[in-house]
Amino acid sequence: NAGVTQTPKFRILKIGQSMTLQCAQDMNHNYMYWYRQDPGMGLKLIYYSVGAGITDKGEVPNGYNVSRSTTEDFPLRLELAAPSQTSVYFCASSYSGGLGYEQYFGPGTRLTVT
Amino acid sequence: GENVEQHPSTLSVQEGDSAVIKCTYSDSASNYFPWYKQELGKGPQLIIDIRSNVGEKKDQRIAVTLNKTAKHFSLHITETQPEDSAVYFCAVPNSGYSTLTFGKGTMLLVSP
Repeated sequence: NAGVTQTPKFRILKIGQSMTLQCAQDMNHNYMYWYRQDPGMGLKLIYYSVGAGITDKGEVPNGYNVSRSTTEDFPLRLELAAPSQTSVYFCASSYSGGLGYEQYFGPGTRLTVT
Repeated sequence: GENVEQHPSTLSVQEGDSAVIKCTYSDSASNYFPWYKQELGKGPQLIIDIRSNVGEKKDQRIAVTLNKTAKHFSLHITETQPEDSAVYFCAVPNSGYSTLTFGKGTMLLVSP
């Protein structure tokens, strides 16, 4: 089992550019999440999905979009990148929701927007 | 969503000392309380969790205690070792249990 994989590991974008952060899991988990982590600010939820074809906004969704066409993949799209989106992005998955089900995190993508 | 406060933000201890990190939450209906550890350059990983039907849970050198009346729970690490140095996050489920709200994290530094 590879667990949760994320690509790329690092990326530098210019203001206004777009990109897609890839996330895949091979644990047949129903739930998948995207978080951003800013220094000293913990993990903030951007979007989540409870199954293929179902997505919902988290705490900080503005500037991002997601899709979930398969159980395995949950890409995060940044349109018109802004310096405020400089952060470390983590994808996570869990078998079910928050009550007692561990979230497994990927290694993260460090994004810089200049 | 849930409001979670975590203290302290940084904690420095000597090897062998104990460390305690505390989280408070707002929703009295919450009944699941996990702790995650994030090592440098990695994603967070669950280290221990507790449900509201128990007041304490231990796993070797780590333990979590829960006070539902006061709405706080704490992570206790005894006999700390340098490899315990990491950022620790508490979390609380949001209503519906689809998502977690994480605390802002505590950076623990264990000096040899």
